[in-house]
Amino acid sequence: AQSVTQLGSHVSVSEGALVLLRCNYSSSVPPYLFWYVQYPNQGLQLLLKYTSAATLVKGINGFEAEFKKSETSFHLTKPSAHMSDAAEYFCAVSEGQNFVFGPGTRLSVLP
Amino acid sequence: EPEVTQTPSHQVTQMGQEVILRCVPISNHLYFYWYRQILGQKVEFLVSFYNNEISEKSEIFDDQFSVERPDGSNFTLKIRSTKLEDSAMYFCASRVGLPTDTQYFGPGTRLTVL
Repeated sequence: AQSVTQLGSHVSVSEGALVLLRCNYSSSVPPYLFWYVQYPNQGLQLLLKYTSAATLVKGINGFEAEFKKSETSFHLTKPSAHMSDAAEYFCAVSEGQNFVFGPGTRLSVLP
Repeated sequence: EPEVTQTPSHQVTQMGQEVILRCVPISNHLYFYWYRQILGQKVEFLVSFYNNEISEKSEIFDDQFSVERPDGSNFTLKIRSTKLEDSAMYFCASRVGLPTDTQYFGPGTRLTVL
């Protein structure tokens, strides 16, 4: 079975600082990987996904993620954090027809 | 842009009562899902549904749970006899079909069991 780990349940950054949210996966087959964002009291919204094309994937709101097979990682980054980025971020791997989600990382952005 | 919708947004029920959570997936999507998120915890897969039958289900999806697509648009999750621990956000999702396709999530139904 595939699994996803996200290092750091809570990450705090200052506004304008680099955002780095970590995601590692385990998979016996080439994975399809996704990052979702959940704003307070809302559903999950897709940020970006990796489907075995380019290893550097650009998403919405200035986020991007790089698939590194050797490290089994798919870390999410944004060069400059904005207050509106404060949310919960979930990494997920596609397993068969369903998703396996990581535990999530709560991002706080400090003024 | 098409979106997944869910009703109600908040459901309060007494322990032991039956509840039905409703979802309208995106119209050309073929796969439908229910997920659960207990407050402050991760999103957990419950069940996937394709071609009018369950294709996968998790250990959480026991005999108290059932899903149905009663018509061409709705997709429902029924909990027969609710327990306190069923209190959670329930998300419906749908996707076109391929594993590479994005799953689109609804806004969720917050279920509170008293």
